[in-house]
Amino acid sequence: RKEVEQDPGPFNVPEGATVAFNCTYSNSASQSFFWYRQDCRKEPKLLMSVYSSGNEDGRFTAQLNRASQYISLLIRDSKLSDSATYLCVVSLRYPGTYKYIFGTGTRLKVLA
Amino acid sequence: NAGVTQTPKFRVLKTGQSMTLLCAQDMNHEYMYWYRQDPGMGLRLIHYSVGEGTTAKGEVPDGYNVSRLKKQNFLLGLESAAPSQTSVYFCASSSSGGEEPQHFGDGTRLSIL
Repeated sequence: RKEVEQDPGPFNVPEGATVAFNCTYSNSASQSFFWYRQDCRKEPKLLMSVYSSGNEDGRFTAQLNRASQYISLLIRDSKLSDSATYLCVVSLRYPGTYKYIFGTGTRLKVLA
Repeated sequence: NAGVTQTPKFRVLKTGQSMTLLCAQDMNHEYMYWYRQDPGMGLRLIHYSVGEGTTAKGEVPDGYNVSRLKKQNFLLGLESAAPSQTSVYFCASSSSGGEEPQHFGDGTRLSIL
């Protein structure tokens, strides 16, 4: 089982739609959680950190479920500019350091 | 507001040639990382550093070396390039080891012929 798993998609949604992605992680000792977006042939850019109580940033809402070991990202009122790949990232503590484990990403296409 | 800067942006090498990729960050971050990203695969960690003068192996370190002589710079070297090292390379930095997010440079596209 992969340490971090995401549905690769693509998710094709019309403008204005609400779309949700899930990401599961295998290690219950995972410390911190993040969502990044990556545009084609560009670097990953931080979208938001995910906090235990859930958090919202404009049209984006992130949730963490430690019991079931998954995080989610909800995008409301989708825009064409939201089309990208969304990466789930989990940090894990190792002796002397932490490691960031990346999912392979979920592709979103918002259609006009 | 530069953040993380990578040079060069693109490079084509012949098999067996060597080169060094430079990563510079101006955020005073302790931790720095080198990743490679290949089609259909997630980011894979090559090497990382937890502070000036320190380096450690990541998931796919073979064929690469790194140095962190100054806190703001992290160099990735290919001593004898191989076609399997054709990839997009990303450098990242973070202020702490796992509680804070990473910040990425805009990548180096490397082709080995």
